[in-house]
Amino acid sequence: KAGVTQTPRYLIKTRGQQVTLSCSPISGHRSVSWYQQTPGQGLQFLFEYFSETQRNKGNFPGRFSGRQFSNSRSEMNVSTLELGDSALYLCASSLDRGGNSPLHFGNGTRLTVT
Amino acid sequence: QQQVKQSPQSLIVQKGGISIINCAYENTAFDYFPWYQQFPGKGPALLIAIRPDVSEKKEGRFTISFNKSAKQFSLHIMDSQPGDSATYFCAATDSSYKLIFGSGTRLLVRP
Repeated sequence: KAGVTQTPRYLIKTRGQQVTLSCSPISGHRSVSWYQQTPGQGLQFLFEYFSETQRNKGNFPGRFSGRQFSNSRSEMNVSTLELGDSALYLCASSLDRGGNSPLHFGNGTRLTVT
Repeated sequence: QQQVKQSPQSLIVQKGGISIINCAYENTAFDYFPWYQQFPGKGPALLIAIRPDVSEKKEGRFTISFNKSAKQFSLHIMDSQPGDSATYFCAATDSSYKLIFGSGTRLLVRP
């Protein structure tokens, strides 16, 4: 079974631009969660989607948004990029709602904002 | 109250030794405690997980010890191998389904 696929692997953007990251979950998994990983803040929860609905949101500004499609694929969007948005963005999928159901992570998208 | 505190930040162990990583939490509503292993360039991978109704869980060389009254849990890696060199994260969650991660421990196992 294919794992969680995130595209692109690397992105370089300029301050003020916007970016869209994509995540394809493991086949059959209905929940997709997004996490931000930085050396300073570690792994922080962004949001969780289940059945195309955002079920949970972390403490990030409204510039961070996402969506989930009917095939469970998910996208994350960051608008008006800031230097501090440089991070590894990880997508994780699970059979059921994230947290109690084992999360399977992709290898992430490394975003660099200059 | 949402934090999970992890220590040590880094750990060096000789091959064959025991690696021990500790975590502590405040939120008594947490009811699921997984450990993740992350290699450079890869996403975290679930290693082992425990629920508070058991005090210990073992899978191969990896053991979680859980102390509910002290609100602490730890990962023990027996017979540590150079291939175990990675960053380890403890985590916790409650009915909100948000995983709260510890700050990570960078383990180096020397040959």
